[in-house]
Amino acid sequence: GESVGLHLPTLSVQEGDNSIINCAYSNSASDYFIWYKQESGKGPQFIIDIRSNMDKRQGQRVTVLLNKTVKHLSLQIAATQPGDSAVYFCAENGYTGNQFYFGTGTSLTVIP
Amino acid sequence: GAGVSQSPSNKVTEKGKDVELRCDPISGHTALYWYRQSLGQGLEFLIYFQGNSAPDKSGLPSDRFSAERTGGSVSTLTIQRTQQEDSAVYLCASSLHTNRGGYTFGSGTRLTVV
Repeated sequence: GESVGLHLPTLSVQEGDNSIINCAYSNSASDYFIWYKQESGKGPQFIIDIRSNMDKRQGQRVTVLLNKTVKHLSLQIAATQPGDSAVYFCAENGYTGNQFYFGTGTSLTVIP
Repeated sequence: GAGVSQSPSNKVTEKGKDVELRCDPISGHTALYWYRQSLGQGLEFLIYFQGNSAPDKSGLPSDRFSAERTGGSVSTLTIQRTQQEDSAVYLCASSLHTNRGGYTFGSGTRLTVV
């Protein structure tokens, strides 16, 4: 079955520092990955995606790194702000490509 | 609409009752998904609709759960004879493509079975 896991369930960072959230996936057939941000009481919100033919992709203050050799994904947030406090999920599209499999999530708390 | 709309936002029901949860996807999105999120957990896939194709029901946890999508738009998730373990947030998402851009999620329906 599918398995997407996170190394750290919680992460606290000082405002202005960089944050790194890690994710391990199990299905080597997955070729599309997404990071989502979920704020309290809301549905997950798309942050950034990456395809398996890339190992790095940058967005605004966020960078996703993909290491297919060890099936590892990370999300880097630069200059973390209080508004970044949320639960972050990685998701992989698995062997069917029709749905995404989500990890448990990492709760990020930004300390002012 | 501008986003995925779910109703009700909260539902409290007695054990054994049936409930219906509604999802209005983004207009034009052909793919629609239902996920369940228990407290402090990740998202558990329930069911997937794509256009006029037969739905992928592989994630439904029991035969008490069913879903339909009428006219390729609005979807209803029905839970019969609710149990306390059904308590969770039920999230609906839609997408234009299944392999890029990800989903747009609604805010979910928080179901509490007492």
